[in-house]
Amino acid sequence: DTAVSQTPKYLVTQMGNDKSIKCEQNLGHDTMYWYKQDSKKFLKIMFSYNNKELIINETVPNRFSPKSPDKAHLNLHINSLELGDSAVYFCASSRTFGERGYGYTFGSGTRLTVV
Amino acid sequence: GDSVTQMEGPVTLSEEAFLTINCTYTATGYPSLFWYVQYPGEGLQLLLKATKADDKGSNKGFEATYRKETTSFHLEKGSVQVSDSAVYFCALFTGGGNKLTFGTGTQLKVEL
Repeated sequence: DTAVSQTPKYLVTQMGNDKSIKCEQNLGHDTMYWYKQDSKKFLKIMFSYNNKELIINETVPNRFSPKSPDKAHLNLHINSLELGDSAVYFCASSRTFGERGYGYTFGSGTRLTVV
Repeated sequence: GDSVTQMEGPVTLSEEAFLTINCTYTATGYPSLFWYVQYPGEGLQLLLKATKADDKGSNKGFEATYRKETTSFHLEKGSVQVSDSAVYFCALFTGGGNKLTFGTGTQLKVEL
């Protein structure tokens, strides 16, 4: 049983296209996140949702739109894809928002390549 | 703001060598500290954590001690194996930031 699952694992698409990445967690956690990992392995938070409500929205282009239909799902939709969007996108979850002692559980990542 | 500084990699060691990966932090509040490991092609896995000063986190032979006086959380292992080859991330969490902030990662390569 995968705790945090993302689909697809790989995504290759052309510039200008619109694509979505889906994430689901079966841990019963309240809070979910999207992180972007660039080619140098640097991880940066993009969004955080707590019980379907947007809590953190870092300076991310508005071409990126997260959607949380329920607290177990957090999807990421990207419009008008650009070459610079190529990266690995990680979904993560935590028990509650602001809980300092337990860390996050991460999915296995979606490698997005824009050509 | 919160930040984490890790030693640059890659770190290349022979099997059974001693490992230290340095991590220092700057935090506006009282952080919890974490080490995550990313094996090739996989997501991040929590390796160990510490939530208060002088706590020692340990797992799979890895250890790190929360040093408030030096704002450090260095990762150590007495005898590395080829299977430990991965990227290691130091991270912190504060209630003020309300997010896990990562260092840049340190790649470890262990050779026979």
